[in-house]
Amino acid sequence: GENVEQHPSTLSVQEGDSAVIKCTYSDSASNYFPWYKQELGKRPQLIIDIRSNVGEKKDQRIAVTLNKTAKHFSLHITETQPEDSAVYFCAASGLSGGSYIPTFGRGTSLIVHP
Amino acid sequence: DVKVTQSSRYLVKRTGEKVFLECVQDMDHENMFWYRQDPGLGLRLIYFSYDVKMKEKGDIPEGYSVSREKKERFSLILESASTNQTSMYLCASSWGRNTEAFFGQGTRLTVV
Repeated sequence: GENVEQHPSTLSVQEGDSAVIKCTYSDSASNYFPWYKQELGKRPQLIIDIRSNVGEKKDQRIAVTLNKTAKHFSLHITETQPEDSAVYFCAASGLSGGSYIPTFGRGTSLIVHP
Repeated sequence: DVKVTQSSRYLVKRTGEKVFLECVQDMDHENMFWYRQDPGLGLRLIYFSYDVKMKEKGDIPEGYSVSREKKERFSLILESASTNQTSMYLCASSWGRNTEAFFGQGTRLTVV
């Protein structure tokens, strides 16, 4: 089955800095890579996703890049703000067999200091 | 807006009790999932269902069972609760393959 590794487990930045979270996956059949944000005490919510037919996607201060050859994808947050503080999860899923079930990374706790 | 609702936010049960966690979604989604969330371990899949009465084991099914009698409802059952099942349980649903998962608010279960 799919295995998703996520780093770092904790990331501390100053407000205004950029933050980068990296994930690697093992199954070359995976072709959908969502990112979820979970604020303290709340449910995870999708913030951005990317499919394997594109290499990069942006939404305001958030961007995701995908390198299918190396089997890794990254979340980039620019001009971080205190409200970006949360746990971020990456996930990977494919279309074959049961691989459409998303497999999640262990999460990154992002702390943005004012 | 898609709504995924879990029946309880907090639950305290005794060791050996049979525990039912209920999840309901209102968007006619095909897929429903139960995850367990523990610090440092992320979201681990317990069971999932892609249709009524269909269920598949996830990564950590031991000690759990599920039931999906209606499309909108997916229940997680702890046959005999143990202290190592103390955790946050998250239900999720999605309409198809490789699509966004919508999560419930979570149930914090404590087994004493």
